Amino acid sequence: DQQVKQNSPSLSVQEGRISILNCDYTNSMFDYFLWYKKYPAEGPTFLISISSIKDKNEDGRFTVFLNKSAKHLSLHIVPSQPGDSAVYFCAASLGGGGADGLTFGKGTHLIIQP
Amino acid sequence: KAGVTQTPRYLIKTRGQQVTLSCSPISGHRSVSWYQQTPGQGLQFLFEYFSETQRNKGNFPGRFSGRQFSNSRSEMNVSTLELGDSALYLCASSPRGGGGYEQYFGPGTRLTVT
Repeated sequence: DQQVKQNSPSLSVQEGRISILNCDYTNSMFDYFLWYKKYPAEGPTFLISISSIKDKNEDGRFTVFLNKSAKHLSLHIVPSQPGDSAVYFCAASLGGGGADGLTFGKGTHLIIQP
Repeated sequence: KAGVTQTPRYLIKTRGQQVTLSCSPISGHRSVSWYQQTPGQGLQFLFEYFSETQRNKGNFPGRFSGRQFSNSRSEMNVSTLELGDSALYLCASSPRGGGGYEQYFGPGTRLTVT
C-alpha cells in the first residue's frame, strides 16, 4: 500500500510560469514532509521541507504548502526555469526518530518548455 | 564541504554472489541511511545507522545488512544475490539522527544482478 502518492507521472510547464507539483499521503502519523529533485545519474537533492505544525514554507522560488486535513501537500516553483526540469519526489516521515526513514512517492517528471 | 560519496558507481554480479557497497558521508554527519531505488517500487528505506548503531530498519530480508565505522563511513552488504536485487542503491547522510529528517544523498551505486 503506497503511503505517499504522486499521481502525475509527468508535468509540462512553460518557462517563466508557475509549476505546481502535488502529493497525497495516507498515514496521518506523518509529521514531516520534504521535496527532493533528481537529475539523471545523480542522487536526489534536498529542496525544501515542512513540519506539520506549519502550513507553508518558502525558500526562494520554492514554496511548499501543507493541508493536513486533506493529507495533501504541494510544491510551487515560481518562476519556472529550464534548470528545474527534473524528477521531483515528495517524501514524508514520522519526524523525530523517523523509525521508517523517509517514505517517498514515485516522482513527477517536470519538463520546463522554453 | 564534499558531498556524500559512494563506491563503486557500477557493479555487475551473478545471482548467488554477495556484494559490499561503500558510503562516505558528509563530514560531520553521523547518521547514514541506505535506500533502494527500482522502477517498480521507487525509493525504499533499507536502514539507518547512527554512531555505529543500526537504529532503524525497513522492510527488507535479512540478506541486506550494513555497518557503520567510527569515522561514520558505512558499508552495505547483500548476500545471496537475487535478480530482483538489481537496483540503484543510494546512501544518504544527515546531521541529525533518526532517518526522518533531511537526507543528503550520494550519486548511488547501480547494481546489476545477472
